[in-house]
Amino acid sequence: DAGVTQSPTHLIKTRGQQVTLRCSPKSGHDTVSWYQQALGQGPQFIFQYYEEEERQRGNFPDRFSGHQFPNYSSELNVNALLLGDSALYLCASSFAGTKGLAEQFFGPGTRLTVL
Amino acid sequence: KQEVTQIPAALSVPEGENLVLNCSFTDSAIYNLQWFRQDPGKGLTSLLLIQSSQREQTSGRLNASLDKSSGRSTLYIAASQPGDSATYLCAVSGNAGNMLTFGGGTRLMVKP
Repeated sequence: DAGVTQSPTHLIKTRGQQVTLRCSPKSGHDTVSWYQQALGQGPQFIFQYYEEEERQRGNFPDRFSGHQFPNYSSELNVNALLLGDSALYLCASSFAGTKGLAEQFFGPGTRLTVL
Repeated sequence: KQEVTQIPAALSVPEGENLVLNCSFTDSAIYNLQWFRQDPGKGLTSLLLIQSSQREQTSGRLNASLDKSSGRSTLYIAASQPGDSATYLCAVSGNAGNMLTFGGGTRLMVKP
């Protein structure tokens, strides 16, 4: 059973460019969440997708957008990249129907460097 | 707004010691609390999940406790090994499947 997968592993972009990161959830999961983790800090919640809609959003600007596909996979898009967007981007999946046990499983992350 | 704090930020111990990592949160209206392990530059590995109605969970040498009313959780690691060296993160969820709020982590080094 494959866990959560993310691509690419590493990415280098320059300021002002746009980037798309991809995530496939764990088999049987239908909810995908995205987190940003700056060096030496805990992850910060960006947004969560369920049934192809954004269900909840953290304190991130509109430059950060996402999408969920019918197969539950998800994309994170960041426009007009800033140096401060350099971070490890983590995807997590869970099953919305598991009442009382919404354990989230994380992928290996995508390391984004903005020059 | 939920805030999660982990103390200490870093810890270095000799192999074989039992140790305790602390996590505190400001809003006791949580649904569950998860402890994660993160190796440098890697993703998060879930260690233990405690639902709000539970007091503790155990997995091998790990034991996590939860006192929701006081906003505290502890992760107890027995007989530490060099392979336990990693950053340990705690996170709380406000309700099922919802966003996780993380602490800053405790960076643990176990010396042989």
